Amino acid sequence: AQTVTQSQPEMSVQEAETVTLSCTYDTSESDYYLFWYKQPPSRQMILVIRQEAYKQQNATENRFSVNFQKAAKSFSLKISDSQLGDAAMYFCAYRANQFYFGTGTSLTVIP
Amino acid sequence: GAVVSQHPSRVICKSGTSVKIECRSLDFQATTMFWYRQFPKQSLMLMATSNEGSKATYEQGVEKDKFLINHASLTLSTLTVTSAHPEDSSFYICSASRAQGGTGELFFGEGSRLTVL
Repeated sequence: AQTVTQSQPEMSVQEAETVTLSCTYDTSESDYYLFWYKQPPSRQMILVIRQEAYKQQNATENRFSVNFQKAAKSFSLKISDSQLGDAAMYFCAYRANQFYFGTGTSLTVIP
Repeated sequence: GAVVSQHPSRVICKSGTSVKIECRSLDFQATTMFWYRQFPKQSLMLMATSNEGSKATYEQGVEKDKFLINHASLTLSTLTVTSAHPEDSSFYICSASRAQGGTGELFFGEGSRLTVL
């Protein structure tokens, strides 16, 4: 069975600092996608970053980057130069045939 | 981009009434849409997968007679909560992926907060 685990229910970071959110997943598939979604207080789910499993290079989107370790089935999100607007719930997600979401990490940004 | 619109964003109804929530893909075709329920500070719980032109596939434990899903076109899926009760109060979110040319991600509607009095 495919599962996604986020072991950090809550994280906090000082504004302008860097924070890393952890995610591990379990799968027997070789071809799949991984995502990080952000859900701010408005509850709108927003795609932060996407990684195709066949790509070795880690995806980056401005201040957001991932550390994708396929053998370890790990997919962590690094947020650099944290901003107040980064405060939100962050969900790690896996997709092969179906989508699976982690339990989320609530990120607080301290001014 | 790919936009999914969900309506209404908030609805309050009396116990025993039915409520319909619409989910539209505005600028792409979606053969499959997904309906999720989210409790406060929890993850998304998949309720059902809506397939255009065919019956929805419900997850275990989801009452198909209570949560009616219709996917009449490639851009519209509806969720009807029938005979709503206070325990159905929740945040409902729809999502869709592109039928063609997609990059795997789901695009989400804004969500609908249902309050049953």
